Amino acid sequence: GAVVSQHPSRVICKSGTSVKIECRSLDFQATTMFWYRQFPKQSLMLMATSNEGSKATYEQGVEKDKFLINHASLTLSTLTVTSAHPEDSSFYICSARTGGDSNQPQHFGDGTRLSIL
Amino acid sequence: QKEVEQNSGPLSVPEGAIASLNCTYSDRVSQSFFWYRQYSGKSPELIMSIYSNGDKEDGRFTAQLNKASQYVSLLIRDSQPSDSATYLCAVNLAGGYQKVTFGTGTKLQVIP
Repeated sequence: GAVVSQHPSRVICKSGTSVKIECRSLDFQATTMFWYRQFPKQSLMLMATSNEGSKATYEQGVEKDKFLINHASLTLSTLTVTSAHPEDSSFYICSARTGGDSNQPQHFGDGTRLSIL
Repeated sequence: QKEVEQNSGPLSVPEGAIASLNCTYSDRVSQSFFWYRQYSGKSPELIMSIYSNGDKEDGRFTAQLNKASQYVSLLIRDSQPSDSATYLCAVNLAGGYQKVTFGTGTKLQVIP
């Protein structure tokens, strides 16, 4: 149980392109989803917390107009990197948590490796 | 002081030995604690959750929690080369609202 699917797994595109990443909870309803970014050999960095039906909460320093998050249903959240540039190249990982209980663990998708040329 | 601290390692242990990974946290009233394993280039996967003081065992893994001393540890018995990965400690800090705070991880190397 608690399977999170993330697509695409890898994206290579030109600078200026917008890229959408999908995160789905396959066998549970995820009230809360999280988006992380991880640069090589560095630790996970939380970008934003996404709640179904409401606006995402962004961490300090993360541009909400650059990284658009939509959590329209209990099983799907999307992250759109708008007008991506080479410095946005990173490993983007989503996670989902069952219910509204913050004591429940997060389950991670397989991640999306984004490369901007 | 970081909110969740782990020694970055690498921690090297011989195959078959016990690997001991430690994590300290800053907030005394934290309620939930998690250990994740992350292989290089992959996303984290949940190993264990622990909520009460004491030990919790799952196969070769044992999580230990001591809230008074504000530390949580993970023991891996009979370590295998396939256990070589980075182990992340995550804590639901009080005031953390919906999110958990991750440590920077300890890299474990199991030497055949």
